[in-house]
Amino acid sequence: DTGVSQNPRHKITKRGQNVTFRCDPISEHNRLYWYRQTLGQGPEFLTYFQNEAQLEKSRLLSDRFSAERPKGSFSTLEIQRTEQGDSAMYLCASSRTGRTTDTQYFGPGTRLTVL
Amino acid sequence: AQTVTQSQPEMSVQEAETVTLSCTYDTSESDYYLFWYKQPPSRQMILVIRQEAYKQQNATENRFSVNFQKAAKSFSLKISDSQLGDAAMYFCAYSLEGGSQGNLIFGKGTKLSVKP
Repeated sequence: DTGVSQNPRHKITKRGQNVTFRCDPISEHNRLYWYRQTLGQGPEFLTYFQNEAQLEKSRLLSDRFSAERPKGSFSTLEIQRTEQGDSAMYLCASSRTGRTTDTQYFGPGTRLTVL
Repeated sequence: AQTVTQSQPEMSVQEAETVTLSCTYDTSESDYYLFWYKQPPSRQMILVIRQEAYKQQNATENRFSVNFQKAAKSFSLKISDSQLGDAAMYFCAYSLEGGSQGNLIFGKGTKLSVKP
C-alpha cells in the first residue's frame, strides 16, 4: 500500500492552455475525491467518483473542468483554457465505502500556477 | 448549507505545553461526523481525530483530544505535551456521511507554531 499519489506535483502553465492532472488512489479504495485548495483557505470539494461513476459535482466545477475515472482506478482532472484564478493546489483523496470508521486518505497534491 | 468556521488563523505554543484550537460549525442535521486534519508544510494532509455526532463521549487519540459540544456546535482540538512535529496547518472538517462516504467541508485552518 503506497498511499495516494498525484502527478505532476507542480505545473506551471500560461493562461489559455489546457492542463491534466493524474491521481492514483489506494488500490482497494472505490471512492475518489478531488478538492481544490487556494492560498489561505481550506480544501473545497470539487467532485467524487464511486468506481468509474462520477456521482457528485460541486458548482465550483465549471464547464472548463472535466474529471474521469475510466476503469475505476486512477482519475484525471483536466482544466481547459486555464485562467489565473485556477492557480491552486489540487488535492485527490480516496476512501473505501462500507465502514463509516474509514476515512479519506489524501495525496500530496498538484500545485498549479497559471501565468 | 453546512459551514465550518475556525476563528484562529494562527496559534503558538511552547514545546511540552497544551494548546486548544477552536472550531464551530453550522448544520441542521442531527447525525454527522467531525474531523481534525493536519497538513504539515509541503506534506499531505492526514487525519488526526474524528468524532461521530451521536457519540457523547469525546474522542481521544494519544496526545490529541476533542471537546465536542453538540448543542453549541463546537468542536475544539486539544493538543497536550506539544512537540515540534505538531507544527502544521490544522483543519476542522464536517461530513454528513462519514469520512469514507461523503465529501468533507473544511474550515480555513489554523496555523500552529511550536516554540522550542
